Amino acid sequence: GESVGLHLPTLSVQEGDNSIINCAYSNSASDYFIWYKQESGKGPQFIIDIRSNMDKRQGQRVTVLLNKTVKHLSLQIAATQPGDSAVYFCAEIPWGQNFVFGPGTRLSVLP
Amino acid sequence: DARVTQTPRHKVTEMGQEVTMRCQPILGHNTVFWYRQTMMQGLELLAYFRNRAPLDDSGMPKDRFSAEMPDATLATLKIQPSEPRDSAVYFCASGGTGHRGYTFGSGTRLTVV
Repeated sequence: GESVGLHLPTLSVQEGDNSIINCAYSNSASDYFIWYKQESGKGPQFIIDIRSNMDKRQGQRVTVLLNKTVKHLSLQIAATQPGDSAVYFCAEIPWGQNFVFGPGTRLSVLP
Repeated sequence: DARVTQTPRHKVTEMGQEVTMRCQPILGHNTVFWYRQTMMQGLELLAYFRNRAPLDDSGMPKDRFSAEMPDATLATLKIQPSEPRDSAVYFCASGGTGHRGYTFGSGTRLTVV
C-alpha cells in the first residue's frame, strides 16, 4: 500500500510498553473527537471517540483523554503490540460541521 | 462485518483522461463522504452527501471534479480531465443518521502519468 505521510512525526515504542499519542486541536467549539487508525494500504479505522462533556474514555487497551483547557487530546495504548503499528489520526468535529483530521502520527512498534 | 466498497483499488491513467471512482456505502447509511489523501496534504474532504443530496463540495476543484449519487447504493467521483497533481488515494466513507464515527472504504489509489 501507499506509504502515508513520510514526513509524519513518528513514535517508536518497545513491544509491551504503553504508547501515548498526542493531538492538539484547533476549534474550541468542537464537541466530539475521534481517533482513527490507518494501516498501510487501508482506510482509516475508527478506534474510540469522546464527547466534550467527558475528559476520559476507555476501550479495550485504549484510553482517550481530553483536556479542553489546552485543546489537547491523547490516545493511550496499553501493552503495545506489533499489530498496533500504523498511522493514528485524531479528528475533531465542531457541532454541525464535518470532521477535521489532524496530520497524523506514525506509531512504530519495535520487537 | 458491513463494509464500504470502493472500486477500482488501483488506477493508472494518462494525463487528460477521464477517471471514475465508485463507492458502495454500507446499506442503510445516509451520509457519504469523499476524501483525498496525499503525503503533503493529509486527509482532505472533497465532498459529502446526505440522503443522496450534495451538501458540501467546497473542497473539490469544480472545473474538473464532479461527485454524484445516482442511487443510495452508489456514489461516484469523476475527474475530467485528470492531471498528475490528482495522484492520490481517494477514500469514500459512509455513516448513518446520528452516527458520527464513519466507516471508510479501502480507497482507490490513483496515479496520473
